[in-house]
Amino acid sequence: QVQLQESGPGLVKPSETLSLTCTVSGGSISSYYWSWIRQPPGKGLEWIGYIYYSGSTSYNPSLKSRVTISVDTSKNQFSLKLRSVTAADTAVFYCARDRRVVGGGYYFDYWGQGALVTVSS
Amino acid sequence: QSVLTQPPSVSAAPGQKVTISCSGSSSNLGNNYVSWYQQLPGTAPKLLIYDNNKRPSGIPDRFSGSKSGTSATLGITGLQTGDEADYYCGTWDNSLSAYVFGTGTKVTVL
Repeated sequence: QVQLQESGPGLVKPSETLSLTCTVSGGSISSYYWSWIRQPPGKGLEWIGYIYYSGSTSYNPSLKSRVTISVDTSKNQFSLKLRSVTAADTAVFYCARDRRVVGGGYYFDYWGQGALVTVSS
Repeated sequence: QSVLTQPPSVSAAPGQKVTISCSGSSSNLGNNYVSWYQQLPGTAPKLLIYDNNKRPSGIPDRFSGSKSGTSATLGITGLQTGDEADYYCGTWDNSLSAYVFGTGTKVTVL
């Protein structure tokens, strides 16, 4: 059973960089896409971006200028960096396995438990 | 602001049926498969339906999905108190080049 676990600071100061890592266990990070998704308190879900195990990426245009997602296959991890954060970036951040099937759909079949990151001075 | 619109809430008595709609456009639902997620209070979302109407292993057949044109529907039959949750639809949007989620629907069991 694939499991994902987010880790990183729970508090980030305004204008600084938010950094999170997702560790994948119970399966290999290879041959799959992996996404970050966030959810502000009391609000809906927002896709941030994905990375393929080979390193290719795609980001939500609304966040593209501030986001970098990277992968470390040797550690079975992928990471998120969100620069120049403001209070509006306060959210629960989820990592998820992203299924993109040729001739089929896109969906997220395994999710981490989520990590709350608060942006405040 | 989400491009997929869902009703804010639906409710029904235990054992009854509810349906949740998800309305989009030709750039998303009109040309891509839909998936549905259940988010129980305080927990991470869970995949309920993928490829419009397929259920992952372990998801009971009380949950069903369908899609027609630019709209999709999630149905829950035999409603249980454990089904009280937020439900989100999702799909890829070709114009935005982004995965988009619906606005979310809260299901209440009366």
